[in-house]
Amino acid sequence: GDSVTQMEGPVTLSEEAFLTINCTYTATGYPSLFWYVQYPGEGLQLLLKATKADDKGSNKGFEATYRKETTSFHLEKGSVQVSDSAVYFCALSDRYNFNKFYFGSGTKLNVKP
Amino acid sequence: EAQVTQNPRYLITVTGKKLTVTCSQNMNHEYMSWYRQDPGLGLRQIYYSMNVEVTDKGDVPEGYKVSRKEKRNFPLILESPSPNQTSLYFCASSRRETTGELFFGEGSRLTVL
Repeated sequence: GDSVTQMEGPVTLSEEAFLTINCTYTATGYPSLFWYVQYPGEGLQLLLKATKADDKGSNKGFEATYRKETTSFHLEKGSVQVSDSAVYFCALSDRYNFNKFYFGSGTKLNVKP
Repeated sequence: EAQVTQNPRYLITVTGKKLTVTCSQNMNHEYMSWYRQDPGLGLRQIYYSMNVEVTDKGDVPEGYKVSRKEKRNFPLILESPSPNQTSLYFCASSRRETTGELFFGEGSRLTVL
């Protein structure tokens, strides 16, 4: 079945450091890929998405590229801020049947001033 | 303001006492779904609904029921709660055309003693 694997956290960085959170997936069809972010005490919010191979999703300085050859969708940001501290979830759904979503276990990011 | 509203936000109950967690969205979304979030497991889909009177099981439906009598509401029913249903629950909605762009509620933390 479909699944998503994320690097375990927590990840602790200093402000302005470079961020990478690894995400790999297993899918039988043609998945769309997503990164969601959860700030403390809140629900998840869509951060970015990519719907086909080689697409790059980007938002708020975050980027992720859909790599079909390595089945990966790693999240990157060049310079993190304290306000980026949150839990980040990688997720997938089938492009033609988005009824079901599969989420990774989440990676907590702590950014220190 | 566009939102997904869940109630209650926090609940402590005892084994076997039926409870309902309500979910309402004001965005006229066709798609609604329920997830549970557990440490180390990420979000797992319980049930989803593509439209009024159309519901289907997600990955972890055992012990839960849902109904979709109106487009805006999608309650989650625990007929006989057990301690293994202690979790953080999220409701989400989406327009059918915007694949993957889920709007989440703020979550309902349920404890079953």
